[in-house]
Amino acid sequence: DAGVIQSPRHEVTEMGQEVTLRCKPISGHNSLFWYRQTMMRGLELLIYFNNNVPIDDSGMPEDRFSAKMPNASFSTLKIQPSEPRDSAVYFCASSGTGTQPQHFGDGTRLSIL
Amino acid sequence: AQSVTQLDSHVSVSEGTPVLLRCNYSSSYSPSLFWYVQHPNKGLQLLLKYTSAATLVKGINGFEAEFKKSETSFHLTKPSAHMSDAAEYFCVTVSGGYNKLIFGAGTRLAVHP
Repeated sequence: DAGVIQSPRHEVTEMGQEVTLRCKPISGHNSLFWYRQTMMRGLELLIYFNNNVPIDDSGMPEDRFSAKMPNASFSTLKIQPSEPRDSAVYFCASSGTGTQPQHFGDGTRLSIL
Repeated sequence: AQSVTQLDSHVSVSEGTPVLLRCNYSSSYSPSLFWYVQHPNKGLQLLLKYTSAATLVKGINGFEAEFKKSETSFHLTKPSAHMSDAAEYFCVTVSGGYNKLIFGAGTRLAVHP
């Protein structure tokens, strides 16, 4: 039973470059969440999708950040242009309906030089 | 608004001794509560969840938690620590109309031989 799959696991790039993070949720889950984790701020919810529709993007820090979910099995988080302060671990999580627990991927460790 | 407070940022125990990780919650009604564990370079893994069916909740890897309404607590315990239990533990509740997770600050558990 495959869990939430994120790619890449690690990304190192120079500031100003575009970064795209990818997520495949667990099959059958209809909710998808993107989080960012840093030492200073802990875990922050960036955006939440339900049935492929963005419901709450109030956690997206700036217009440089965008997220899409073109279908039930794929989502992307894009940063353009990237900045050093975007360096963090980005997690994707998915869940079923109601208060079903969220299942997390192993994250993408992003370093912007 | 729902919130959780983890009372210890670091806990250190010897292998084979009991583990106690403390969490207090704030909620105006019966909350949904979870404990997640995060091992280094991994995503968050669900240990257990409380959804009002029973006050003592058993989870994976020998962990359990007891919901105490009178104390507004949901402490995580394990009778005997193992080296592999060394990780970060998050007490989590749910807020809002859609499964939005509210995380505690985390407790880092160290296990010594």
